[in-house]
Amino acid sequence: DAGVIQSPRHEVTEMGQEVTLRCKPISGHDYLFWYRQTMMRGLELLIYFNNNVPIDDSGMPEDRFSAKMPNASFSTLKIQPSEPRDSAVYFCASSQVRGAKNIQYFGAGTRLSVL
Amino acid sequence: AQKVTQAQTEISVVEKEDVTLDCVYETRDTTYYLFWYKQPPSGELVFLIRRNSFDEQNEISGRYSWNFQKSTSSFNFTITASQVVDSAVYFCALSEAPRAGGSYIPTFGRGTSLIVHP
Repeated sequence: DAGVIQSPRHEVTEMGQEVTLRCKPISGHDYLFWYRQTMMRGLELLIYFNNNVPIDDSGMPEDRFSAKMPNASFSTLKIQPSEPRDSAVYFCASSQVRGAKNIQYFGAGTRLSVL
Repeated sequence: AQKVTQAQTEISVVEKEDVTLDCVYETRDTTYYLFWYKQPPSGELVFLIRRNSFDEQNEISGRYSWNFQKSTSSFNFTITASQVVDSAVYFCALSEAPRAGGSYIPTFGRGTSLIVHP
């Protein structure tokens, strides 16, 4: 089975532009997580979903950030408008709880640069 | 609040040396879970191990071993006879016990970058 797939791998944009990051979790997984990794703050959990429903978005830094999961195989993280301090690597991860090892599997990340 | 401290930012060794990556954690929970992940240059984090707070037995998997000591709140990771392919960033993480049917929600340390020179 394919792993967690994130797109794009790299995104360069200008301040003020809208940015949309995409994630396809592993088929059958019922949890999906969005993380942000920076040198200053390390790896931070932004939001996670269970069965497509957002459970905890307390890590979302500002109203400029929003995440959706319209179905079990797709999620987006949107930043509007983007700012230079949003530059980071954004990871998506998924896990399966029922009848499984309950391990988080991570995508390769999207490296975002906001100029 | 939970906290994971990886005091070593970067470690540099020569191939075949043994190396230990330190991890110290803080939690008020009596039941909790500890993790190690590897982040190779390709970027994705790869799960290595999970231990629960009631199991203090050390674990060995090939060249990897983990030492869990509740008395010192530490969960250290040792690589024996390191190889160049071990070069990566290693993260220690801590999660409270998930609710029934729930997922682990790890809090990650800042990571230790291991560089193994040939």
